[in-house]
Amino acid sequence: GAGVSQSPSNKVTEKGKDVELRCDPISGHTALYWYRQSLGQGLEFLIYFQGNSAPDKSGLPSDRFSAERTGGSVSTLTIQRTQQEDSAVYLCASSFGGLIYEQYFGPGTRLTVT
Amino acid sequence: AQSVTQLGSHVSVSEGALVLLRCNYSSSVPPYLFWYVQYPNQGLQLLLKYTTGATLVKGINGFEAEFKKSETSFHLTKPSAHMSDAAEYFCAVTPRGAGGSYIPTFGRGTSLIVHP
Repeated sequence: GAGVSQSPSNKVTEKGKDVELRCDPISGHTALYWYRQSLGQGLEFLIYFQGNSAPDKSGLPSDRFSAERTGGSVSTLTIQRTQQEDSAVYLCASSFGGLIYEQYFGPGTRLTVT
Repeated sequence: AQSVTQLGSHVSVSEGALVLLRCNYSSSVPPYLFWYVQYPNQGLQLLLKYTTGATLVKGINGFEAEFKKSETSFHLTKPSAHMSDAAEYFCAVTPRGAGGSYIPTFGRGTSLIVHP
């Protein structure tokens, strides 16, 4: 079956531009997570969606970052006025939502801000 | 609050040697435990997980891990390393029981290097 997909796979943008990153989770998964992974670093949690509940935005590093999830499925992570320190791989994951369930990760979007 | 410690950011072994990647957790109640692997330029994929029952868990690609409550550990092992095992390995936990965060806590990762 289809896994988690992310687009684009690579994005190069100029400093100050806005970018949108897309995530298509596995059908039926109610939970969706966004993470940031910088070179040689672990996973930095950004935001969590569960069903129709209000998202947990506690990991967003600044108000330049926002995300939405439409219809309980596709999610878009938006970064406004990009900075060079935003360069990283952005990973999306989905799961069935319970604590016992593992996450399924997409291949990531590599963002480079020049 | 729970935390996860992975000892050693890099582990280097020879092909055919034993692989041991360490993971210790810190929480008042033993959590659900996961190991993920990340191959270059890919997302993470589940190797194995412990939720309940037998404390020795077998996963994909010949890996296994043992939950030891007394040591608050969930170390990952493989008897004989292959070159294809070279990757980044992450230990993760989620809380067991109501009231905890639904956001998994990940360790910082261990890079496994396999020498011919």
